[in-house]
Amino acid sequence: AQSVAQPEDQVNVAEGNPLTVKCTYSVSGNPYLFWYVQYPNRGLQFLLKYITGDNLVKGSYGFEAEFNKSQTSFHLKKPSALVSDSALYFCAVRDYNYGQNFVFGPGTRLSVLP
Amino acid sequence: DADVTQTPRNRITKTGKRIMLECSQTKGHDRMYWYRQDPGLGLRLIYYSFDVKDINKGEISDGYSVSRQAQAKFSLSLESAIPNQTALYFCATRDPRASTDTQYFGPGTRLTVL
Repeated sequence: AQSVAQPEDQVNVAEGNPLTVKCTYSVSGNPYLFWYVQYPNRGLQFLLKYITGDNLVKGSYGFEAEFNKSQTSFHLKKPSALVSDSALYFCAVRDYNYGQNFVFGPGTRLSVLP
Repeated sequence: DADVTQTPRNRITKTGKRIMLECSQTKGHDRMYWYRQDPGLGLRLIYYSFDVKDINKGEISDGYSVSRQAQAKFSLSLESAIPNQTALYFCATRDPRASTDTQYFGPGTRLTVL
């Protein structure tokens, strides 16, 4: 069965500092990995995805994520955080070999302090 | 995303009442999904539909039913609402043929069952 873990409920970072939001996954086959962001009173918005190729994936709003197959991780990163990055972040996985549906992690709330 | 709309946005109801949440999309996607979001649990899949005649149960379908009235419309019903169905409900669409292969979410419906 597929599963996604986000070990931190909350991440606090000062504006201008680098940020990392962690995600680890478990799938039986090849993983398709995604990051979504949710702003207050909004639905989830796609940030980036990894399917194959370069382990460093670049996405929207200056975010990037690093795929590490040996550690089964897909951490979200940004070199310099903005206050406007404060939101709820979800990691998701789709196991291409075993179904077409997404499994979401529990979410990590990011707070960027001015 | 204005391409996926949900009505109502907020609803308060009483235990035992029948409730319908509606979702409409203008993206032309065949695949539609209903999720519920609970704090600390992320999004969990309730039902999904690959086209008008193809409807499938998700992880937590008990107590829910759906109707796919047309390609653009996918409704979620709670036949007899109970308090633990209090949650934020999201509709999503997906076009697996698109290069992004992502889901597009509506703004959500906040349901409170008293």
